[in-house]
Amino acid sequence: AQKITQTQPGMFVQEKEAVTLDCTYDTSDQSYGLFWYKQPSSGEMIFLIYQGSYDEQNATEGRYSLNFQKARKSANLVISASQLGDSAMYFCAMREVRGDSNYQLIWGAGTKLIIKP
Amino acid sequence: EAQVTQNPRYLITVTGKKLTVTCSQNMNHEYMSWYRQDPGLGLRQIYYSMNVEVTDKGDVPEGYKVSRKEKRNFPLILESPSPNQTSLYFCASSLHQQGVRASLTFGAGSRLTVL
Repeated sequence: AQKITQTQPGMFVQEKEAVTLDCTYDTSDQSYGLFWYKQPSSGEMIFLIYQGSYDEQNATEGRYSLNFQKARKSANLVISASQLGDSAMYFCAMREVRGDSNYQLIWGAGTKLIIKP
Repeated sequence: EAQVTQNPRYLITVTGKKLTVTCSQNMNHEYMSWYRQDPGLGLRQIYYSMNVEVTDKGDVPEGYKVSRKEKRNFPLILESPSPNQTSLYFCASSLHQQGVRASLTFGAGSRLTVL
C-alpha cells in the first residue's frame, strides 16, 4: 500500500495565485516527520518545509505553509502568491523509524506544478 | 558552504563495466543514504549508513554496493551495471540524532545511463 499519496500528477496555476498541493500519508507510528521538497528542472532536491507529528502549529516558511490535519493524515503544501520560479516538481515525504533506527524518508510520486504568466 | 558533493554528474556506460559514484559531505553528518529516482516512482532508498562502518540495505539494494570507511564519504558501487539501473541517483545526509526531525541535504544528483 502507498504510504505517501500525491493525487495531483500535474497542476497549472496562474501567477500570483495561491496553490495547494495535496499529500496524504499512512503510518501507525506516533513519531514521524513530514517534509516537502522542490525539484526544479535542473534536478536538485531543495528542502522547503517540515512538520513534526507532535507539532501543534502548522509549519510556515516564507511563502510556504503546511496544512497539517493529523486525524485525516494529510499534509498539504500551500504556496501563497505563486511565482514563475515556483514551476517545478514537488515531493511530499515522510520520515519514520524503520527497523533498527533507519530514519528512512518515504516519498510520494510528486506533483508537477506549472505557473502560467 | 555546507553541501553534499556527488561525482560524476552525468555518466553513460555499457553493461557490465564497473563504476563508482562518489559522495562526500562536509557537515559531519552521521546518516548518509543513496536514492534512485525513476519517473512516476518518486525516490527509492538503495542503501543507508548510520555511521562509519555501519551500512544497511534500503528498499532496492540489488545490484549495488556501498562502503563507509570515513564519515564524510559514502560511495555507491555498481559492480556490473545493467540497463535497468539507468536512473537519476541522489546521495543525501543528515544528523542522525535528530531522528525523524532531520531534513536530508541532497547532492545535485548523478544521471546514469547504462547501454
